[in-house]
Amino acid sequence: GENVEQHPSTLSVQEGDSAVIKCTYSDSASNYFPWYKQELGKGPQLIIDIRSNVGEKKDQRIAVTLNKTAKHFSLHITETQPEDSAVYFCAASGGYGGATNKLIFGTGTLLAVQP
Amino acid sequence: DADVTQTPRNRITKTGKRIMLECSQTKGHDRMYWYRQDPGLGLRLIYYSFDVKDINKGEISDGYSVSRQAQAKFSLSLESAIPNQTALYFCATRGGNTEAFFGQGTRLTVV
Repeated sequence: GENVEQHPSTLSVQEGDSAVIKCTYSDSASNYFPWYKQELGKGPQLIIDIRSNVGEKKDQRIAVTLNKTAKHFSLHITETQPEDSAVYFCAASGGYGGATNKLIFGTGTLLAVQP
Repeated sequence: DADVTQTPRNRITKTGKRIMLECSQTKGHDRMYWYRQDPGLGLRLIYYSFDVKDINKGEISDGYSVSRQAQAKFSLSLESAIPNQTALYFCATRGGNTEAFFGQGTRLTVV
């Protein structure tokens, strides 16, 4: 089945710097790759997603890149702010038959933005 | 009102007890999921359901069971709770191979 690995597990950056979180997936049939942000005491919320027919997607300070050949995708946050501090999860879904119903998550990255 | 509602939000139970966590959604989605969150292990899939007649095991289904009572309701049961099932549990819904919407979570402690 699908396996998603995420690195690093913790990341500390200075306010204004960039942050990059990387994920790899195992199922080459996966075709949907979302990123979620989880704030303390809350459920995860989608911040950006990308499908396999696109190599890069941007939304203001957030961007996601996808390398289908290497089965890698990454989250890039520029000009980080203290409110970006949270746990970030990558995920993958898609595939054949019933596998399209699964959404498998990485292990999460705790991002701390230092003022 | 929240789109995905989980009850209870917090629960402490004793080893060996049966406990049910409930989830309801107003999104009209067909797909519903139960995840378990543990520090350092991320969100692990317990069970998922495509519709009321479709139930599938996830990565860590042992010790858990589910019931899809209606399109909007998906409950998770621990038949005989054990301490290593202490965790944060999340329900989620999807309308297709797209964004998932999560509930606020249920913090379960088994003593």
